[in-house]
Amino acid sequence: QKEVEQNSGPLSVPEGAIASLNCTYSDRGSQSFFWYRQYSGKSPELIMFIYSNGDKEDGRFTAQLNKASQYVSLLIRDSQPSDSATYLCAVKGAGGFKTIFGAGTRLFVKA
Amino acid sequence: DAGVIQSPRHEVTEMGQEVTLRCKPISGHDYLFWYRQTMMRGLELLIYFNNNVPIDDSGMPEDRFSAKMPNASFSTLKIQPSEPRDSAVYFCASNPGGENYGYTFGSGTRLTVV
Repeated sequence: QKEVEQNSGPLSVPEGAIASLNCTYSDRGSQSFFWYRQYSGKSPELIMFIYSNGDKEDGRFTAQLNKASQYVSLLIRDSQPSDSATYLCAVKGAGGFKTIFGAGTRLFVKA
Repeated sequence: DAGVIQSPRHEVTEMGQEVTLRCKPISGHDYLFWYRQTMMRGLELLIYFNNNVPIDDSGMPEDRFSAKMPNASFSTLKIQPSEPRDSAVYFCASNPGGENYGYTFGSGTRLTVV
């Protein structure tokens, strides 16, 4: 079992729709959870982090965490073609700074 | 701040040659990480440093790989001898420390070993 699992996609949504990206993790002691966006040929850039159960909103992005289910999600409202990228879920374990990345979900937003 | 700076951006080398990748973290960031990204394996952590000291090198694939951080503003990742399967994008990232800080990645070095 992979430590951080994501659906590789591609996930295709029309412009203006909500894109929902999901991630599960295996280490129940994990403390911090991150979403990175990576455009083709570029480096990952941090867009959200969450560490408490529930929702966290930042602009068009909402991160959701359910530690009991070991599940993290990212919602992108009013999706734009510029949101087309690979979204990486990353999980940091307890007591350390080692972060494990999922394989990423490719998102296409159709104009 | 110029961000995390990596060099070179691209490197093409022949099998068996030594390759050295360089990284300058963001000033004041106490943690430095080296990752490798391939289509097959995604982003893999190779090694990370705290205050210039290597903390976890369990991801370094073989003895052919070595990393150093002689001071707070410079780190190297060396592959000797290089092999075609080492071809990947190598990212350096830094972090100021603390549980809830993410990483700032450099632009990466695309390594091709022929």
